[in-house]
Parts: sequence; C-alpha cells; structure tokens
Amino acid sequence: DSGVTQTPKHLITATGQRVTLRCSPRSGDLSVYWYQQSLDQGLQFLIQYYNGEERAKGNILERFSAQQFPDLHSELNLSSLELGDSALYFCASSVELRSNEQFFGPGTRLTVL
Amino acid sequence: SQQGEEDPQALSIQEGENATMNCSYKTSINNLQWYRQNSGRGLVHLILIRSNEREKHSGRLRVTLDTSKKSSSLLITASRAADTASYFCAPHHFYSGGYNKLIFGAGTRLAVHP
Repeated sequence: DSGVTQTPKHLITATGQRVTLRCSPRSGDLSVYWYQQSLDQGLQFLIQYYNGEERAKGNILERFSAQQFPDLHSELNLSSLELGDSALYFCASSVELRSNEQFFGPGTRLTVL
Repeated sequence: SQQGEEDPQALSIQEGENATMNCSYKTSINNLQWYRQNSGRGLVHLILIRSNEREKHSGRLRVTLDTSKKSSSLLITASRAADTASYFCAPHHFYSGGYNKLIFGAGTRLAVHP
C-alpha cells in the first residue's frame, strides 16, 4: 500500500459525459501527478500540481482539467468523454517538487461506452 | 523530456533463472529510476541510481548505469513467479523550472513460469 488513495476504483460512463476522479496523496506529500495508461498510448504523464499550483503539463487534452485543493487532494475532471478516453488513470505523489521517488495510487479504471 | 526505452519488450523465463532488462535514453540525467507494475495496478518504485553511480543493489535487484552509453540494466536474480510484472525505467532530469515529470517507455513485460 503506497498511501495514495484514488476513488472511484471503476467508472463506467457514456460518450459525451463528464467525470471527476479523486486522489488523496500520501500524508505530507505536496506534489501530485496524474498519468493516463491505455493499451495504445502506454503510460502518459498528464499534469503535476505542487502545493495547489500547476507546475508541469504533459499530454493533457483541453477537455481534461485538474486542480489541487488546500488539503492537497486533487481532482482530475474529464469532460465530453470519447471512447478513446477509456484507460487507467493513476495519481502519484511525492514529498517535494523535485523528489526522486513517486508513489502511485491503485488507479481508476474508466470505461467509456 | 526524457523517455527511456526498455528492451526486450517481453521476456519469459523459468523460476530460479535471472532476468535482465535494459533501458536506453537520449540526454543527460540526474538519476534513473526503475518501477514495477503488476497487471492493472499502480507502479511501485524499485530502485534509483544516481548519475555518478555505476551499480546499485537492493535485495535480488541489481541495477547498472553507463552514462557514456546512456543505458541502464536491471537484473533480477533467482526470479520468482511473483516477479511477473511490467518493468519501466524512468530517466530523470531536474529541469530548471523545477518540475518533476517522469516519462515512461513501453516497459518490459516479464513472465516468470513456475
């Protein structure tokens, strides 16, 4: 158990819908990262937050957005969902902005029908 | 951004044998990390080797780093069925902006058969 929690575990929804994925980092970790893992794209970095501020962006679509709240939990919002958005979404956390080791949550499996 | 490329893509061995996976990257690094992912689960950090280190051990894991060849290898000795997983390397460079994203390759899928 990494100490990072993600909810929900599974999510099944329809195209065009909007969903919110939630992540609670390890106690004391200030940095949160979101990754998407799909069969065709592999594991892709989406975005990083540190202490409430966005710090790095990766291959994140405009239909996706994220935020980190004062209690350091983070949410990833996915809107206008498409079939291709079906994937595992992982959250990871680390102590500092430039920590070496990231601790991954168990992931949320999103299925878009 | 720095991405590691793992080789081979897939590896199938018998329990008790050693498994070696390789990683190549393109630009300078501060460190290189290896992660393991069991099917459908989150990644687990295995080991980190800094750019000024050549070899590092952790239990049955041995990692080497050759910065002149921009390559690293992960050796798992006396493999067990529980080692069956995908293994990813993450070459890491501290950018001046301070951000910390890890870029993962496609990984090596290791299958250890009893």
